[in-house]
Amino acid sequence: SQKIEQNSEALNIQEGKTATLTCNYTNYSPAYLQWYRQDPGRGPVFLLLIRENEKEKRKERLKVTFDTTLKQSLFHITASQPADSATYLCALGRGSSNTGKLIFGQGTTLQVKP
Amino acid sequence: GAVVSQHPSWVICKSGTSVKIECRSLDFQATTMFWYRQFPKQSLMLMATSNEGSKATYEQGVEKDKFLINHASLTLSTLTVTSAHPEDSSFYICSARDGTGSEQYFGPGTRLTVT
Repeated sequence: SQKIEQNSEALNIQEGKTATLTCNYTNYSPAYLQWYRQDPGRGPVFLLLIRENEKEKRKERLKVTFDTTLKQSLFHITASQPADSATYLCALGRGSSNTGKLIFGQGTTLQVKP
Repeated sequence: GAVVSQHPSWVICKSGTSVKIECRSLDFQATTMFWYRQFPKQSLMLMATSNEGSKATYEQGVEKDKFLINHASLTLSTLTVTSAHPEDSSFYICSARDGTGSEQYFGPGTRLTVT
């Protein structure tokens, strides 16, 4: 069955460092992958989308890579700030047609210490 | 732009009653809306896909007669939890997309507690 794995352990880093979060998937070939930020008690907020034919995408301090051979996406936050502390979810687009359905990973909690 | 609202943000109801949750796209027309459920420290689980003017498509294991979805307009979808039980207590989140774009915009969520 389709499976998405994100580091279940919280990631603790020092302010100013680069945070790297991992999303691995099996038994699936997604057309695209998305990353979201979720704060406690809130809905997810869209951050970045990367398609299967793209290797890398950047947006300000954020960078996403997508390796369809390794079946892995890496999400980087450079020059991290305490305000970046949140849970980050990866989601894979599924369905043979453009249904928009997403499968979410369980999320990785990032804690940036000042 | 691309704002999705939900109402109410939280609700407490008694076991056996029904609760309606609204999801609105405020500044765009949402041809498709999705309903998710999230239990504490777990990921979002898709419950159903709602297309304007047609019946919702439910994911496997989700009871369509218990979770009634109506997508009557391009800016509004509703989820009604019927005959609620304590195990239905969860965080319900909707999302919407315009046209066939891959980006989805999520609402702030509704915390349902059934006593």
